[in-house]
Amino acid sequence: DIQMTQSPSSLSASVGDRVTITCRASQRISSYVNWYQHKPGKAPKLLIYAASNLHSGVPSRFSGSGSGTDFTLTINSLQPEDFATYYCQHSYNTLITFGQGTRLEIK
Amino acid sequence: EVLLVESGGGLIQPGGSLRLSCAASGLTVSSSYMRWVRQAPGKGLEWVSIIFARGSTYYADSVRGRFTISRDNAKNTLYLQMDSLKSEDTAVYYCARDWEDSPYYYMDVWGRGTTVTVSS
Repeated sequence: DIQMTQSPSSLSASVGDRVTITCRASQRISSYVNWYQHKPGKAPKLLIYAASNLHSGVPSRFSGSGSGTDFTLTINSLQPEDFATYYCQHSYNTLITFGQGTRLEIK
Repeated sequence: EVLLVESGGGLIQPGGSLRLSCAASGLTVSSSYMRWVRQAPGKGLEWVSIIFARGSTYYADSVRGRFTISRDNAKNTLYLQMDSLKSEDTAVYYCARDWEDSPYYYMDVWGRGTTVTVSS
């Protein structure tokens, strides 16, 4: 199975900050990475697909980059509604796996 | 509006069985790739199972042989039959559509989940 190692596991930031979350795959997976936002009691929400494509309706302050084994999710100008847990996920094959998650908290 | 609504969760003893349902509206389950994903307390997301449009199914190692994914095309509903339940199956279970944007796939529609607690 392909392992996705996400870091940091938690992050404190302030409204208006820029934050970056990284994800490393255990083998090369081209651009087969998606990013999700998850808030307690709610459905996970797709943010970025195929490493760098913004899903419909997602604010442009979210962006993704990377290819091969290293990927990043960047949030520019944090808004109060962005405080949540973020997951990367590979879609290189059917047996998908998620990163461990990054909990983004208000400083 | 595209919507997935899970149901069927509850408290069950170890070794017991439970069937989860995922009712879909605004999408056709029979022509979609559909997944179950779970989140154990204090843990991250874990993929459980997938059913492809043609009917083939796959399972995570942790549930293979105990869980069965299926669908009822007439009811436009996805199911997860869970047998021989263990305490480590305690989690919120989500259904999601796995959308094909060839060659990429991503889960673009999710339900809000149903909670399964396995405990004596």
